[in-house]
Amino acid sequence: NAGVTQTPKFRVLKTGQSMTLLCAQDMNHEYMYWYRQDPGMGLRLIHYSVGEGTTAKGEVPDGYNVSRLKKQNFLLGLESAAPSQTSVYFCASSYGQGRRGYTFGSGTRLTVV
Amino acid sequence: KQEVTQIPAALSVPEGENLVLNCSFTDSAIYNLQWFRQDPGKGLTSLLLIQSSQREQTSGRLNASLDKSSGRSTLYIAASQPGDSATYLCAVRPHSSNDYKLSFGAGTTVTVRA
Repeated sequence: NAGVTQTPKFRVLKTGQSMTLLCAQDMNHEYMYWYRQDPGMGLRLIHYSVGEGTTAKGEVPDGYNVSRLKKQNFLLGLESAAPSQTSVYFCASSYGQGRRGYTFGSGTRLTVV
Repeated sequence: KQEVTQIPAALSVPEGENLVLNCSFTDSAIYNLQWFRQDPGKGLTSLLLIQSSQREQTSGRLNASLDKSSGRSTLYIAASQPGDSATYLCAVRPHSSNDYKLSFGAGTTVTVRA
């Protein structure tokens, strides 16, 4: 009963480097989301997906790309990391449009130096 | 734009005391409201989900109420324990079926002293 699994849990990047964060869910949820959490800013939606092969922009999408090639996986990419992307990233999923609530992963703590 | 406020930002109580955490939101057109717990350096654990048509939800020592018309939800934790120390977040899902963005409060950090 894993729920939502995020990898890696921690990462340090140099400015300009790229990386991909992986989110996997085993609940057969159609909807998946990427949020970032910053002190004093709360959680903000980066991108989301309403099904395999579909993605859409959230509140703060600049500097990020996403892909949903398989229903159970949602990838978040940083092509050229910037210090402003230092944050904790959370993946979430939901059955339908969130009418039964949202399930979150344990987070990825990313530091860009 | 939905604004979600949680007051107080921090709370420290002795063990055994009841906890009252407040969440207010500016747009009453919500579909549901969810309370989460976040331990330091950890993810969000769902505590209670209240649909807009409901007035309250209960799970063990936890009780959450919702007054949609006044834009308020309250999380009650009875007989607090040191293990209840964490940050509690409320999140509101808009009523619109095309808007998936949860609006989060900044959280209330609770410390229960043994």
